[in-house]
Amino acid sequence: QVQLVESGGGVVQPGGSLRLSCEASGFTFSTYGMHWVRQTPGKGLEWVAFIRYDGSSKWYADSVKGRFTISRDNSKNTLYVQMKSLRGEDSAVYYCAKSRSVSMPGYFDFWGQGTLVAVSS
Amino acid sequence: DTQMTQSPSTLSASVGDRVTITCRASQSINNYLAWYQQKPGKAPELLIYQASSLESGVPSRFSGSGSGTEFTLTISSLQPDDFATYYCQHYNTYPWTFGQGTKVDIK
Repeated sequence: QVQLVESGGGVVQPGGSLRLSCEASGFTFSTYGMHWVRQTPGKGLEWVAFIRYDGSSKWYADSVKGRFTISRDNSKNTLYVQMKSLRGEDSAVYYCAKSRSVSMPGYFDFWGQGTLVAVSS
Repeated sequence: DTQMTQSPSTLSASVGDRVTITCRASQSINNYLAWYQQKPGKAPELLIYQASSLESGVPSRFSGSGSGTEFTLTISSLQPDDFATYYCQHYNTYPWTFGQGTKVDIK
């Protein structure tokens, strides 16, 4: 069965950096696009970033563009997001999510359990 | 960006009730709309995609309809397991955005 397991969350000071990982299993990771989606009580669900199955295209929400970098290692079945210049508004539960469709990659059929990022001094 | 607006924000209902949630897009999204269910402390789960296609394993009491800018999620007979928060999400064009959610709670 499909499993997505995030790790790397924690408490970080404003302006700091953090790298989240998502280890995938139960499907052919190298053939699906992958996303990061975050959730806060105040703003709800927010799509953050997408990477194509082969890493050739990467898209970002305007709120994180220039500060977050999504990447993947298909040999390790692992998705990453490097987050820098973190702000309080980046505090959220971060989910990795799998694209359901190759042709329309913008919706998600499996999600991880989430990892909490708290940006606080 | 396309904004997604759900109504109502909260819905109180009883087991066996027919429940309808509405999602409106700020511009046409064709039929590229998904619905998710989320329970407290859990990740969202895909219920419906392409506005009306039921995801594998999802009970048939869930259905979706609509096109263009107005969409609905209907639960034909609410079950105890259905008390949760429901989100719509468009995937017509980047960036993909979610509605603010509709919480279905017990009347």
